[in-house]
Amino acid sequence: GEDVEQSLFLSVREGDSSVINCTYTDSSSTYLYWYKQEPGAGLQLLTYIFSNMDMKQDQRLTVLLNKKDKHLSLRIADTQTGDSAIYFCAETDTDKLIFGTGTRLQVFP
Amino acid sequence: EAEVAQSPRYKITEKSQAVAFWCDPISGHATLYWYRQILGQGPELLVQFQDESVVDDSQLPKDRFSAERLKGVDSTLKIQPAELGDSAMYLCASSPRDRSRETQYFGPGTRLLVL
Repeated sequence: GEDVEQSLFLSVREGDSSVINCTYTDSSSTYLYWYKQEPGAGLQLLTYIFSNMDMKQDQRLTVLLNKKDKHLSLRIADTQTGDSAIYFCAETDTDKLIFGTGTRLQVFP
Repeated sequence: EAEVAQSPRYKITEKSQAVAFWCDPISGHATLYWYRQILGQGPELLVQFQDESVVDDSQLPKDRFSAERLKGVDSTLKIQPAELGDSAMYLCASSPRDRSRETQYFGPGTRLLVL
Protein backbone atom coordinates (compact mmCIF):
# COMPACT_ATOMS: atom_id res chain seq x y z
CA GLY A 1 0.00 0.00 0.00
CA GLU A 2 0.93 3.63 -0.04
CA ASP A 3 3.47 4.79 2.50
CA VAL A 4 4.93 8.21 3.25
CA GLU A 5 7.98 8.53 5.48
CA GLN A 6 9.57 11.52 7.16
CA SER A 7 12.29 12.06 9.70
CA LEU A 8 10.80 12.86 13.11
CA PHE A 9 12.73 15.89 14.24
CA LEU A 10 14.74 18.85 12.91
CA SER A 11 16.35 21.62 14.90
CA VAL A 12 17.71 24.79 13.26
CA ARG A 13 18.99 28.18 14.32
CA GLU A 14 16.87 31.23 13.56
CA GLY A 15 17.90 32.75 10.23
CA ASP A 16 19.26 29.49 8.82
CA SER A 17 17.55 27.43 6.14
CA SER A 18 15.53 24.34 7.06
CA VAL A 19 15.18 21.33 4.79
CA ILE A 20 12.50 18.78 5.57
CA ASN A 21 12.58 15.54 3.60
CA CYS A 22 9.92 13.02 2.65
CA THR A 23 9.87 9.77 0.70
CA TYR A 24 6.79 8.08 -0.72
CA THR A 25 6.09 4.77 -2.35
CA ASP A 26 3.11 5.36 -4.66
CA SER A 27 4.47 6.04 -8.14
CA SER A 28 1.01 7.07 -9.33
CA SER A 29 0.88 10.05 -6.99
CA THR A 30 -0.29 13.08 -8.91
CA TYR A 31 -0.17 15.73 -6.19
CA LEU A 32 2.25 16.08 -3.30
CA TYR A 33 1.67 18.48 -0.44
CA TRP A 34 3.26 20.13 2.54
CA TYR A 35 1.04 20.95 5.51
CA LYS A 36 1.96 22.78 8.72
CA GLN A 37 0.40 22.02 12.09
CA GLU A 38 0.92 24.25 15.09
CA PRO A 39 0.29 22.87 18.60
CA GLY A 40 -3.35 22.00 19.19
CA ALA A 41 -4.41 23.28 15.78
CA GLY A 42 -5.60 21.88 12.49
CA LEU A 43 -3.50 21.56 9.37
CA GLN A 44 -2.59 24.50 7.19
CA LEU A 45 -1.79 23.84 3.54
CA LEU A 46 1.57 25.46 2.79
CA THR A 47 2.07 24.42 -0.79
CA TYR A 48 1.58 21.60 -3.24
CA ILE A 49 3.34 20.40 -6.35
CA PHE A 50 2.00 18.51 -9.32
CA SER A 51 3.92 15.39 -10.21
CA ASN A 52 5.05 16.70 -13.60
CA MET A 53 6.96 19.52 -11.91
CA ASP A 54 10.34 19.22 -10.25
CA MET A 55 10.43 22.51 -8.39
CA LYS A 56 8.05 25.11 -7.01
CA GLN A 57 8.96 28.29 -5.18
CA ASP A 58 6.65 30.42 -3.08
CA GLN A 59 8.30 33.24 -1.13
CA ARG A 60 10.46 31.57 1.54
CA LEU A 61 9.34 28.07 0.56
CA THR A 62 10.96 25.90 -2.10
CA VAL A 63 9.65 22.44 -2.92
CA LEU A 64 11.83 19.98 -4.80
CA LEU A 65 10.47 16.77 -6.28
CA ASN A 66 12.62 13.89 -7.47
CA LYS A 67 10.05 11.61 -9.02
CA LYS A 68 12.58 8.94 -9.95
CA ASP A 69 13.65 8.54 -6.32
CA LYS A 70 10.14 9.37 -4.97
CA HIS A 71 11.67 12.07 -2.80
CA LEU A 72 10.09 15.37 -1.85
CA SER A 73 11.70 18.15 0.13
CA LEU A 74 10.61 21.46 1.61
CA ARG A 75 13.18 24.19 2.09
CA ILE A 76 12.33 27.13 4.33
CA ALA A 77 14.66 30.07 3.84
CA ASP A 78 15.48 32.43 6.73
CA THR A 79 13.70 30.21 9.26
CA GLN A 80 11.89 32.12 12.02
CA THR A 81 10.68 31.06 15.45
CA GLY A 82 7.13 31.23 14.10
CA ASP A 83 8.03 28.40 11.74
CA SER A 84 8.29 26.03 14.71
CA ALA A 85 5.61 23.42 14.10
CA ILE A 86 5.05 19.92 12.74
CA TYR A 87 5.31 19.61 8.97
CA PHE A 88 3.44 16.87 7.16
CA CYS A 89 4.15 15.57 3.71
CA ALA A 90 1.13 14.08 1.90
CA GLU A 91 0.42 12.52 -1.46
CA THR A 92 -2.57 11.47 -3.47
CA ASP A 93 -3.63 10.08 -6.79
CA THR A 94 -7.32 10.40 -5.99
CA ASP A 95 -8.92 12.66 -3.38
CA LYS A 96 -7.64 10.63 -0.46
CA LEU A 97 -4.57 12.20 1.13
CA ILE A 98 -1.93 9.86 2.55
CA PHE A 99 0.07 11.65 5.22
CA GLY A 100 3.50 11.02 6.63
CA THR A 101 4.10 10.91 10.37
CA GLY A 102 5.27 14.51 10.44
CA THR A 103 8.58 16.27 11.14
CA ARG A 104 8.77 18.47 14.19
CA LEU A 105 10.76 21.60 13.38
CA GLN A 106 12.24 23.46 16.32
CA VAL A 107 13.78 26.88 15.71
CA PHE A 108 16.09 28.25 18.38
CA PRO A 109 17.45 31.81 18.69
CA GLU B 1 -11.49 34.51 5.26
CA ALA B 2 -13.84 31.51 5.25
CA GLU B 3 -12.90 28.66 7.57
CA VAL B 4 -14.01 25.17 8.42
CA ALA B 5 -15.74 25.21 11.80
CA GLN B 6 -15.70 22.32 14.25
CA SER B 7 -17.21 21.80 17.67
CA PRO B 8 -16.55 21.03 20.38
CA ARG B 9 -12.83 21.79 20.41
CA TYR B 10 -12.25 19.41 23.31
CA LYS B 11 -14.24 16.47 24.63
CA ILE B 12 -13.57 14.22 27.59
CA THR B 13 -15.74 11.16 27.98
CA GLU B 14 -15.74 7.81 29.68
CA LYS B 15 -15.46 4.60 27.73
CA SER B 16 -18.76 3.12 26.58
CA GLN B 17 -20.33 6.58 26.34
CA ALA B 18 -21.53 8.14 23.08
CA VAL B 19 -19.85 11.20 21.60
CA ALA B 20 -20.64 13.37 18.60
CA PHE B 21 -18.59 15.90 16.69
CA TRP B 22 -19.89 18.56 14.35
CA CYS B 23 -18.30 20.14 11.28
CA ASP B 24 -19.42 23.06 9.13
CA PRO B 25 -17.38 23.24 5.92
CA ILE B 26 -16.55 26.34 3.95
CA SER B 27 -19.66 27.58 2.20
CA GLY B 28 -20.10 26.02 -1.20
CA HIS B 29 -17.60 23.23 -0.70
CA ALA B 30 -19.09 20.01 -2.02
CA THR B 31 -16.53 17.61 -0.57
CA LEU B 32 -16.17 17.00 3.15
CA TYR B 33 -13.68 14.74 4.91
CA TRP B 34 -13.31 13.40 8.43
CA TYR B 35 -9.78 12.43 9.51
CA ARG B 36 -8.48 10.89 12.72
CA GLN B 37 -5.05 11.88 13.97
CA ILE B 38 -3.57 9.77 16.72
CA LEU B 39 -0.90 11.53 18.78
CA GLY B 40 2.46 11.40 17.01
CA GLN B 41 1.00 10.30 13.68
CA GLY B 42 -0.32 11.87 10.53
CA PRO B 43 -4.07 12.14 9.88
CA GLU B 44 -5.88 9.15 8.40
CA LEU B 45 -9.07 9.46 6.39
CA LEU B 46 -12.17 8.03 8.06
CA VAL B 47 -14.88 9.11 5.63
CA GLN B 48 -15.33 11.31 2.57
CA PHE B 49 -18.60 12.86 1.41
CA GLN B 50 -19.45 14.34 -1.95
CA ASP B 51 -22.52 16.45 -1.23
CA GLU B 52 -24.69 14.15 0.93
CA SER B 53 -23.27 10.88 -0.41
CA VAL B 54 -20.48 8.82 1.09
CA VAL B 55 -17.63 8.40 -1.39
CA ASP B 56 -15.17 6.50 0.79
CA ASP B 57 -15.73 5.04 4.25
CA SER B 58 -13.40 2.09 3.90
CA GLN B 59 -11.39 3.07 7.01
CA LEU B 60 -14.40 3.91 9.19
CA PRO B 61 -14.93 1.35 12.02
CA LYS B 62 -18.58 0.90 11.24
CA ASP B 63 -19.38 -1.15 14.32
CA ARG B 64 -19.04 1.97 16.46
CA PHE B 65 -18.56 4.97 14.15
CA SER B 66 -21.17 6.66 12.00
CA ALA B 67 -21.12 9.80 9.90
CA GLU B 68 -23.82 11.73 8.15
CA ARG B 69 -24.20 14.81 5.99
CA LEU B 70 -27.93 14.84 5.49
CA LYS B 71 -28.35 18.07 3.54
CA GLY B 72 -24.94 18.09 1.95
CA VAL B 73 -23.72 20.95 4.11
CA ASP B 74 -22.66 20.32 7.72
CA SER B 75 -21.75 16.90 9.04
CA THR B 76 -21.79 14.90 12.26
CA LEU B 77 -19.40 12.11 13.27
CA LYS B 78 -20.58 9.86 16.08
CA ILE B 79 -18.85 7.23 18.16
CA GLN B 80 -20.92 4.80 20.21
CA PRO B 81 -19.62 3.31 22.41
CA ALA B 82 -16.32 5.14 22.80
CA GLU B 83 -13.22 3.08 23.56
CA LEU B 84 -9.90 4.10 25.10
CA GLY B 85 -8.19 3.74 21.70
CA ASP B 86 -10.48 6.38 20.20
CA SER B 87 -8.56 9.12 22.00
CA ALA B 88 -7.26 11.29 19.17
CA MET B 89 -7.75 14.52 17.27
CA TYR B 90 -10.66 14.41 14.84
CA LEU B 91 -10.16 16.74 11.92
CA CYS B 92 -12.70 17.89 9.38
CA ALA B 93 -11.69 19.23 5.98
CA SER B 94 -13.53 20.50 2.94
CA SER B 95 -12.71 21.24 -0.67
CA PRO B 96 -14.46 22.74 -3.68
CA ARG B 97 -16.09 20.49 -6.24
CA ASP B 98 -13.62 19.33 -8.89
CA ARG B 99 -10.65 20.84 -7.04
CA SER B 100 -10.35 18.39 -4.18
CA ARG B 101 -6.91 17.23 -5.27
CA GLU B 102 -5.51 20.72 -5.15
CA THR B 103 -6.88 22.06 -1.91
CA GLN B 104 -8.28 20.63 1.28
CA TYR B 105 -8.97 23.16 4.00
CA PHE B 106 -8.81 21.83 7.55
CA GLY B 107 -10.72 22.89 10.61
CA PRO B 108 -9.10 23.29 14.05
CA GLY B 109 -10.11 19.77 15.10
CA THR B 110 -11.83 18.19 18.08
CA ARG B 111 -9.50 16.62 20.61
CA LEU B 112 -11.14 13.58 22.23
CA LEU B 113 -9.94 11.96 25.44
CA VAL B 114 -11.59 8.72 26.48
CA LEU B 115 -11.08 7.75 30.13
